[in-house]
Amino acid sequence: EDKVVQSPLSLVVHEGDTVTLNCSYEVTNFRSLLWYKQEKKAPTFLFMLTSSGIEKKSGRLSSILDKKELFSILNITATQTGDSAIYLCAVEAAKDTGKLIFGQGTTLQVKP
Amino acid sequence: DAGITQSPRHKVTETGTPVTLRCHQTENHRYMYWYRQDPGHGLRLIHYSYGVKDTDKGEVSDGYSVSRSKTEDFLLTLESATSSQTSVYFCAISPAGTYEQYFGPGTRLTVT
Repeated sequence: EDKVVQSPLSLVVHEGDTVTLNCSYEVTNFRSLLWYKQEKKAPTFLFMLTSSGIEKKSGRLSSILDKKELFSILNITATQTGDSAIYLCAVEAAKDTGKLIFGQGTTLQVKP
Repeated sequence: DAGITQSPRHKVTETGTPVTLRCHQTENHRYMYWYRQDPGHGLRLIHYSYGVKDTDKGEVSDGYSVSRSKTEDFLLTLESATSSQTSVYFCAISPAGTYEQYFGPGTRLTVT
């Protein structure tokens, strides 16, 4: 059975801290791994990763994929209260359907 | 966000009643998806559509049916609602051949 597991499930940090969120997966036909951010509404797309070792970066957020060890990390540096959200990892595991398997999510709270 | 709407946004219904949720898009995207989101489970795929009248099951399809008679509309029906179907339901769309999904605002359904 295809599975995506995120850790930790929740995290509380203070502004300025750096955080690392983890996503491991077991799927039979890996195509890509995606990260989403969800505040009090719909998830919004952050990154898509398909190749190992190539870092994707957007401002203070960055992500990398390791296809050999079957995991990805999402780093957030110099955290701000606006980074407080649920971070979702998803894997596309079926060709040309766009079917995504989501992890449970990591709830990040950034305190002032 | 402007390209996807869901209706209703909130609904309270009684066990055993039928319920239909509507997802409407103005993007002319081929793929449409219905997810449910529950604490500790992330997003789970219920059904998806890869074209008009073309639908398939996701990982939690029992108790749900869908229909897509027009490109822009994807309906999710609970034939006989149960309390276990209390959840937040998200619709998502994506263009053919890509992995990035765009989510609607969600519908909060409570079955009493």
